[in-house]
This record gives sequence, structure tokens and C-alpha cells, in this order.
Amino acid sequence: QKEVEQDPGPLSVPEGAIVSLNCTYSNSAFQYFMWYRQYSRKGPELLMYTYSSGNKEDGRFTAQVDKSSKYISLFIRDSQPSDSATYLCASNTGNQFYFGTGTSLTVIP
Amino acid sequence: EPEVTQTPSHQVTQMGQEVILRCVPISNHLYFYWYRQILGQKVEFLVSFYNNEISEKSEIFDDQFSVERPDGSNFTLKIRSTKLEDSAMYFCASNGQGSDTQYFGPGTRLTVL
Repeated sequence: QKEVEQDPGPLSVPEGAIVSLNCTYSNSAFQYFMWYRQYSRKGPELLMYTYSSGNKEDGRFTAQVDKSSKYISLFIRDSQPSDSATYLCASNTGNQFYFGTGTSLTVIP
Repeated sequence: EPEVTQTPSHQVTQMGQEVILRCVPISNHLYFYWYRQILGQKVEFLVSFYNNEISEKSEIFDDQFSVERPDGSNFTLKIRSTKLEDSAMYFCASNGQGSDTQYFGPGTRLTVL
């Protein structure tokens, strides 16, 4: 069962573009919703997390959760070449965590 | 800034051998995890550990695997009788009491020949 689904991309955008990354999930019991950034051959790095429906903003990043449709989004404004990485969405029930496959993003200077 | 560390960064072993992957979680964290990521695939949950015992494990985490917190700082993953398909990146993660967000280590790349 695929608990968290994510379009793997790849996604390629010009510098300065707005990027939209999306995931869907199936388990209504999911509690927290997280976005991680992973550079090649490195560990995932937590970007943002939220537990309620709505938006959460941190600098150029906005995380959005819609629990009614089981939809998770991450928006990146004014994208930079340094944003090029794989972005993973994740969620949990208790101490078990589920990750999406990751979306590969390239921001072209 | 505190961080999760893992050693070694790369481990090469022969099929059938046992390996121990080591992690030092963030010092005041209480929940510890192991994940694996086969090249090009998603991060997969293996096991979570709290209060010196396994709290949850996935179906991947069978009798071949075990975890241990041998002292107050280290958290280890032992893989017995390694198979070719165990080749992957293994990530350790930790989080603190009251927080469901995890901080990942840099990973150990395991290559089974």
C-alpha cells in the first residue's frame, strides 16, 4: 500500500520561478506532514512541518495541507539554483514515518 | 548546531557477513530510527526505538536485523548474514520528546559484494 504518493518528476524550472511540489496520502490517521530536501547521496534535511490544514510559511517556502482532500503541497518562491535537490514529503502515525518517492527539482540559472 | 552523526560513511562487505552501522543521535533526543534508501528509490522506514526497546518496525525489519543502544550515546543497527539486496544507504534519525519531526544523519552507504 502506497501511503504517500509523490510525482517523481524530474521538474526543471528557470531561476526565479515559483515551484509547486505535491503529494497525496491515503491514511486519515496521519498526524504531521513534513517536507525534506535531499541532496545527492546525503541524508534528508527537514525543511518544514505542519500538523493542521492550512498554510505555513518560512521565507521563500510555503507548506500547505488540505486534510479534506489528503493533499500536501510545497511552494518555493523565487527559486534559486541552490534549491536544486530532491524534495520528499512525509507523514507519520505514531513513531512510524512514511515518505514519498521524492521529486527531483532542477533550477536553471 | 547539534546533528546526528553516522559511521562509517561507507561500508563494503562480503555477502553473508555481519555489519554494524553506528549512529550518534542528538544528545537530548529520545526517539531513534533507522531507514534505508536503495539507490533511486524512496526512503523506507525500518524501525523506531524508544526507552530502550523497539516501538515500531516495518515488515522489512525481520530477524536479520537488530538494533541496540549499547550506551548513552550510540544507537546501532546490526545486519546479520548480509545479502546483495541489502546494499543501500542507511539513515539514522532522532527526535525529541513532544516533537514528531526527525533529524537525519548523513547516512552510511552499505555495499554488499
